[in-house]
Amino acid sequence: AQRVTQPEKLLSVFKGAPVELKCNYSYSGSPELFWYVQYSRQRLQLLLRHISRESIKGFTADLNKGETSFHLKKPFAQEEDSAMYYCALFIIQGAQKLVFGQGTRLTINP
Amino acid sequence: DGGITQSPKYLFRKEGQNVTLSCEQNLNHDAMYWYRQDPGQGLRLIYYSQIVNDFQKGDIAEGYSVSREKKESFPLTVTSAQKNPTAFYLCASSTAGTGDYGYTFGSGTRLTVV
Repeated sequence: AQRVTQPEKLLSVFKGAPVELKCNYSYSGSPELFWYVQYSRQRLQLLLRHISRESIKGFTADLNKGETSFHLKKPFAQEEDSAMYYCALFIIQGAQKLVFGQGTRLTINP
Repeated sequence: DGGITQSPKYLFRKEGQNVTLSCEQNLNHDAMYWYRQDPGQGLRLIYYSQIVNDFQKGDIAEGYSVSREKKESFPLTVTSAQKNPTAFYLCASSTAGTGDYGYTFGSGTRLTVV
């Protein structure tokens, strides 16, 4: 079954500390993975996608097929990073659709 | 200004009533989606549509219905058969099949049963 798991519902770190939001997936095909972010009172928006190997707002995520993981990392957290983060898997087999994890609420403490 | 618009922002429904949530996009996207967002459960797919006049059930379609008569519009009806309709509903659209799989989301509708 296709599934995305974010084991941490809540994550709290201090400003300037490293951040890692965990994401694991289950998918029999070649995975296409994304991170979406929802800041307070804003729309859910795309943060980054693994196929473009980009770094957005200092965040990076590496696909590890051996561990079926796509963890989101940032070396130095900033207060404006506080938000809800969702990992998502794009299902290509059959109809195309995104499957989301449960989300992690990240709080950066001053 | 291109985008995806959901209305209303807040909706109150009495038990036993059907209500319809609107979703309109002017991005010329082929695909549209409805998700339900509940705390601790992430986003769960209700219905999706890849092209006009065609749609498929998602993971939690029971108690919901949709139509896709126009490319720009994908309304969601929450029927009285939906046992727990109070939630935040998100509509999204994408250019399916082009290799760019990013979704554009609306601002959401918060539905409350009173």
